[in-house]
Amino acid sequence: AIQMTQSPSSLSASVGGSVTIVCRASQGISDHLGWYQQKPGKAPRLLIFAASTLQPGVPSRFSGSGSGTDFTLTISSLQREDFATYYCLQDYNFPWTFGQGTKVEIK
Amino acid sequence: EVQLVDSGGGLVQPGGSLRLSCAASGFLFSDYSMSWVRQAPGRGLEWISYISGNGYTISYADSVKGRFTISRDNAKNSLFLLMNSLRADDTALYYCARDNYMGDFDYWGQGVLVAVSS
Repeated sequence: AIQMTQSPSSLSASVGGSVTIVCRASQGISDHLGWYQQKPGKAPRLLIFAASTLQPGVPSRFSGSGSGTDFTLTISSLQREDFATYYCLQDYNFPWTFGQGTKVEIK
Repeated sequence: EVQLVDSGGGLVQPGGSLRLSCAASGFLFSDYSMSWVRQAPGRGLEWISYISGNGYTISYADSVKGRFTISRDNAKNSLFLLMNSLRADDTALYYCARDNYMGDFDYWGQGVLVAVSS
């Protein structure tokens, strides 16, 4: 199975700041990667698919990049509602696998 | 409006069985692949099973292979997960999710809790 290593596991940032979350695949997955946001008690929400395509309705301060094994999610101009846990998911090969998650907290 | 409504969770003893359902509305259900994703308390997300729109392609995570069975009834716009030989580590919130043709999940159910305990 492809392992997805996500880092950091948690971070603190200020409103208005920016953060970058990294996801690394144990083998090449082309651009078969999505990013999800999850808030406590809620179902996950798709932010980015195909590594860099913004899901309709998602603010443009979210962006994704990467291909092959290394991927990043960047959130610029952090808003209070962006404090949540973020996951990557590879859908290149079964079994599909999520990263461990990154909790973004308010500094 | 796309809606996915999960149901069927509950408390079950180790070794027992449970059948989860996901009722879909607001889209042509047979056109979309679907998956089940679970989340143990305080833990991350785990993809556990996939089924194509016509039901011909199915896949499972190793953690549930041989114990769980995914199925769908396109005439009733419903997705199912039959869970047998349940173990304590199957305790989780289970979500159904729609595949957006790109292997990503653009709509999710609200989740249903499965607790395995004696």
